[in-house]
This record gives sequence, C-alpha cells and structure tokens, in this order.
Amino acid sequence: GIQVEQSPPDLILQEGANSTLRCNFSDSVNNLQWFHQNPWGQLINLFYIPSGTKQNGRLSATTVATERYSLLYISSSQTTDSGVYFCAVAIAGGGADGLTFGKGTHLIIQP
Amino acid sequence: DTAVSQTPKYLVTQMGNDKSIKCEQNLGHDTMYWYKQDSKKFLKIMFSYNNKELIINETVPNRFSPKSPDKAHLNLHINSLELGDSAVYFCASSPAGRGQYFGPGTRLTVT
Repeated sequence: GIQVEQSPPDLILQEGANSTLRCNFSDSVNNLQWFHQNPWGQLINLFYIPSGTKQNGRLSATTVATERYSLLYISSSQTTDSGVYFCAVAIAGGGADGLTFGKGTHLIIQP
Repeated sequence: DTAVSQTPKYLVTQMGNDKSIKCEQNLGHDTMYWYKQDSKKFLKIMFSYNNKELIINETVPNRFSPKSPDKAHLNLHINSLELGDSAVYFCASSPAGRGQYFGPGTRLTVT
C-alpha cells in the first residue's frame, strides 16, 4: 500500500515562531488532507489539498503532486496550535478510498 | 449544528460483551467511513460505505460489522470485545471525490 511519512515527528517552538511540516507519499494520490488533532482528541480539517497551494489565516499548505510531497506552514504560532498534525492521502483510482494516515508531527508551542 | 456526530463519546465495557457505536452525518455525503486510532495515535481505515454498499474492509476481524440503515447513518457493531479493541473510533463522511470530515470520536475501553 501507499506509504506516508511525516517530518519532523516532534517539534517544540516558542510562541510567535514559524514552522514547516512535511509529508512525503509514495504513490499518486487523488486526495490529500491535513488535520490537526487538538489535546482533546478532536480531528480538525485544515486543508483538502491534492495539489496546489491554499491559505487559511496563519496556516497555508502546498502540495507538489508530481514530486509526491506536501508542506504545511504555520506562522506566528500560538499555544492553541499545539497538538498532532496529520497528513492523510488516498490513492488515485476513484471510489470510496479510505485515507492512509502518516504518523503525525507532535507540535508543542510554549508560551 | 454538528456535521458528523457519534454516540456515545465514551464507552467502558468488559471483555466478551457486544457493543455498538452510532454515527450520523447531516451533510448529505455519499460515503461514510470508520477509522480506528490506537494508543500510539496511529489512525487506520476500517470500513467505508457508499450508498449503503460496503466498499472497503481492511482486514478487520469479523467481530466488527458496519451497518448502514440509510445514507446518513453508519453504525459499528462489535461482538465479543477484546482488550485489544480499546481505542478511539472515528466516523467520517465525504462527498464524491472530495475531502473527508470526521466526527468527534468514541473512546472505547475494554476491561
């Protein structure tokens, strides 16, 4: 099956810092999503981004499908950004494809 | 209004019991899914349903059975619960060819 690798696995930053999270995947995909799992366990949709660039406030994401990677940028970090960030993909081919998740990046923002 | 809802939020039960987790989505999506998140926070697809038809079954034990009474509901029945079934179970839904939206999760503890 498709492999999804996220880096770094852990990241500790001071409030106000910027960060870049990376997701590499091993095959062509027709779905790529970024999620934030907050300390209460809720999975929050950040981006649906199988290709291209999107921005939402302090967060932005870029997927280069031809090179099989995606980047999530967080600017001016806040303590509420803490949690685990997951990249998840579904392979090209259509149908009801379940997402394959990476192991996540555990982000801690210190005040 | 909650887009994807699950009940119960917490479920504590003994080994050998049978339990069900309910999921409802009010988004009008065609496809619904069940995922399992283990103690190491790894998320894995279990099932998906498209128009009341099972599409994926990812080597899940047959003690687990999804049941979809209609397009808006996908319930998960678990028979003869085992200690290893303890996890957080997430329901999700998606429209055709777009991103998935996750419910709040059900934390199952088997004692």
